[in-house]
This record gives sequence, structure tokens and C-alpha cells, in this order.
Amino acid sequence: EDQVTQSPEALRLQEGESSSLNCSYTVSGLRGLFWYRQDPGKGPEFLFTLYSAGEEKEKERLKATLTKKESFLHITAPKPEDSATYLCAVESGSARQLTFGSGTQLTVLP
Amino acid sequence: GAGVSQTPSNKVTEKGKYVELRCDPISGHTALYWYRQSLGQGPEFLIYFQGTGAADDSGLPNDRFFAVRPEGSVSTLKIQRTERGDSAVYLCASSFALLNEQFFGPGTRLTVL
Repeated sequence: EDQVTQSPEALRLQEGESSSLNCSYTVSGLRGLFWYRQDPGKGPEFLFTLYSAGEEKEKERLKATLTKKESFLHITAPKPEDSATYLCAVESGSARQLTFGSGTQLTVLP
Repeated sequence: GAGVSQTPSNKVTEKGKYVELRCDPISGHTALYWYRQSLGQGPEFLIYFQGTGAADDSGLPNDRFFAVRPEGSVSTLKIQRTERGDSAVYLCASSFALLNEQFFGPGTRLTVL
């Protein structure tokens, strides 16, 4: 059974204070690892897909990296508008659905 | 173009009642997924469709839950004899192909009193 664990559960940063969110996973045959952003009362918004260890993707202040056991979402010089819950999910083997972690609730203070 | 839409945005019902939740996927997306999200948790898979057929319904919690997609576009999630434990946000997502990223709708918040 696929498992996804995200840490920390919650993170408070000052504006401009860079940090990383962790996503550890256990799957049988990774097909893709996905990062989403979710604002209160809204559905998850797609950010990145990573397919193989060593892969990196960037978007504005966010960079996602992938190893064989975990993924990191690095946030450089965050702004208050980056405040949200960040969700990690995996797609594996023959299954087509995503298995999600519980998310990291990020708060960036001005 | 338009994203995934879901109606209603909120639904309050009484224990034992029947409810239907609707999902309009992005035009042209062949795959459609239903998830359920409880407070403080990530979405949990319920069922997915490839075209008109339910390709995987292994996430449906019991036989009170059923979903259809008769013409390969709009889908309806149906819940019979609702229970208080069914209260959650029900999310719908769609994608072009099975390996591509899934795009989510805003969800329907279901409250069972």
C-alpha cells in the first residue's frame, strides 16, 4: 500500500525566510510525484510533477526535487501570498489514483 | 478555458437522506476522478472513470456510494442513506490522459446533520 508522509504539519516563516517542506513516500513503482497548493475553501491547484530521482522543477519562488525516497519543496524568499497548504501525492504501479499526504500548512508573516 | 466545476458548492442534508453531487470536467478530458477530503487531511480517492466506465471504484467506502458518467463527460456522485460520517468536502478532478496531472474543482462541502 502506498504511503505518503509530509513534514512539518505546520510551518510559520517570516517574509523572505527560505525553507523546505518534506514529502517521504513508500510506493511500489513510482509513476509520478505531484505537488499541489490548496487555499482555504478551494480545490488543490497543480504545481509540479516529478517522474524520476534527480529531477528538479521550478516555478517562481518554488523548486521541487525528487530522490528515491522523498521529495522536497524549497521556498525561496517567500511572500505572504505563498501562505497555503501544500500537498504531496504519488501515482504508482497500475493504480491511476493519487495517494495524498496530509499536507503542510505554510504561513508567511509580513 | 473553463476549469472543473462542481455543484452545489454546499449541501446540508439530514441523516438518512439521499444526495447527488455533480461534476463538470474540463472539456476534452477523458479521465475523471472523485476524492473525499476531511478537515486537516489530504484528499482520499473514491473512484475514477476512463470515458463512461468506472475503471477503478476501489475507494468507495461502501455500497451506499455510487457514481455514474453516462456520456463520458459530466459525472454524478450519489450517496444513499447519508450518515454523519459522510460529512466532508467531495472533490472532482479530471485529466487528459492517465499519466498527466489532475486538475481539481472547488469541491462540494457536504454536511449531514
